[in-house]
Amino acid sequence: DVKVTQSSRYLVKRTGEKVFLECVQDMDHENMFWYRQDPGLGLRLIYFSYDVKMKEKGDIPEGYSVSREKKERFSLILESASTNQTSMYLCASSLEGTQYFGPGTRLTVL
Amino acid sequence: DQQVKQNSPSLSVQEGRISILNCDYTNSMFDYFLWYKKYPAEGPTFLISISSIKDKNEDGRFTVFLNKSAKHLSLHIVPSQPGDSAVYFCAASVGGSARQLTFGSGTQLTVLP
Repeated sequence: DVKVTQSSRYLVKRTGEKVFLECVQDMDHENMFWYRQDPGLGLRLIYFSYDVKMKEKGDIPEGYSVSREKKERFSLILESASTNQTSMYLCASSLEGTQYFGPGTRLTVL
Repeated sequence: DQQVKQNSPSLSVQEGRISILNCDYTNSMFDYFLWYKKYPAEGPTFLISISSIKDKNEDGRFTVFLNKSAKHLSLHIVPSQPGDSAVYFCAASVGGSARQLTFGSGTQLTVLP
């Protein structure tokens, strides 16, 4: 059974803090993705990775970075959190074809 | 500029009737389309997909129709059930795979008992 897990379901951080969001998949998928979901805007791609140590910018990479040191793990980093980064963050993985999503992390930046 | 558009933010349907969710796209390079369903506080789950070489794909109560000339796809749910109440996202990609998806803004479907 497909499994994508995210380290936290809910997170509250202060402006300026460094934030790490972790995503792990157990399907040996090569491709991993980070999205944010905001009302009326759908899912917007932040970064993605096709292989270990490889990363590509998505549509809205500003203010974010990523790390993929192992195939199963893809981390999203907010170097200095800001209030406009309050959102639902979704991780996904795929081999080819369908993307499978984790449960999401609701991040609030105060 | 939104390349994938879902112009109806919400839709209400009576249980047992048909639900039709619509999606338009502008990028003629898109050749693979998917529908996802999302419940609150959960990640999206894959529902059904269609390649541009087809105009219809069916899976149980769910059917996706693709009209390439109109750059339009639709998801039909028949019969609708209260458990179908969720946000539905359409998504599209180039190159025949879901390597990089472009999502619409979603449609909230409410199925009334």
